[in-house]
Amino acid sequence: SQTIHQWPATLVQPVGSPLSLECTVEGTSNPNLYWYRQAAGRGLQLLFYSVGIGQISSEVPQNLSASRPQDRQFILSSKKLLLSDSGFYLCAWRRAGRETQYFGPGTRLLVL
Amino acid sequence: GENVEQHPSTLSVQEGDSAVIKCTYSDSASNYFPWYKQELGKRPQLIIDIRSNVGEKKDQRIAVTLNKTAKHFSLHITETQPEDSAVYFCAANSGGYQKVTFGTGTKLQVIP
Repeated sequence: SQTIHQWPATLVQPVGSPLSLECTVEGTSNPNLYWYRQAAGRGLQLLFYSVGIGQISSEVPQNLSASRPQDRQFILSSKKLLLSDSGFYLCAWRRAGRETQYFGPGTRLLVL
Repeated sequence: GENVEQHPSTLSVQEGDSAVIKCTYSDSASNYFPWYKQELGKRPQLIIDIRSNVGEKKDQRIAVTLNKTAKHFSLHITETQPEDSAVYFCAANSGGYQKVTFGTGTKLQVIP
C-alpha cells in the first residue's frame, strides 16, 4: 500500500530564516505531487504541483519554491521566511492518471 | 481557471438531524468532485467522490448529488453524530485534470 510522509511535524522559525520541508511517498511510482498551505481556520491553497522529476508548476508567486529531486520526493523551500508564511503545510499525492489526491500528515510552521 | 464556491461556511445541527453542504463550480470541463473531511489538527481525508457520469452516490449515511447543467453538487449527511463534527471541503478537478480546486470549507458542528 502507499504511504506519504512529511517532516518535520512541527517547526518554529524566526523571520528571515530559511525553510526546507520534505515529503516522500512510498509504494508507488511516478506520482503527481502537491504542496498546499492552510492558514489557521482557512481553506487549502495550492502552492506547487509536479507531474514528474524536475517538473514544477507554481500556482502562487511568493517567496517559496519547490523541487523534486527524486521520483517520490518533493521539497518546499524558502530562503527567507515571512510572518505570513506561518500555517499548516500539506503535501498530497495522486497516482498518475487517477483523480483522487491523498494528503500527508502535514507540517505545522510557526514563524516568529 | 476553475472557481469553487461552498456554502454555508458554518453549520450547526442537532444530533440525529441531517446536514447539507452545497458547492458550485465554474468550469464545465470539470468531471471529478471529491469531498474531504478535516478534523481539528489533522489532514483532510477523502470521504466520498462523484464523477460527472453519475448523478448521485451514496455511502451509508453520506450521499453526494451532482447537477451538471446547473454546475452544482451537494453533500448530504443523515442521522448526524458528534463525530461528524469537522470541516468539510468540496473540490472539482481542473487544469487539464492535473489538480483540484477546493472550496473554502464548511465547519459542521453536531450538537449532542
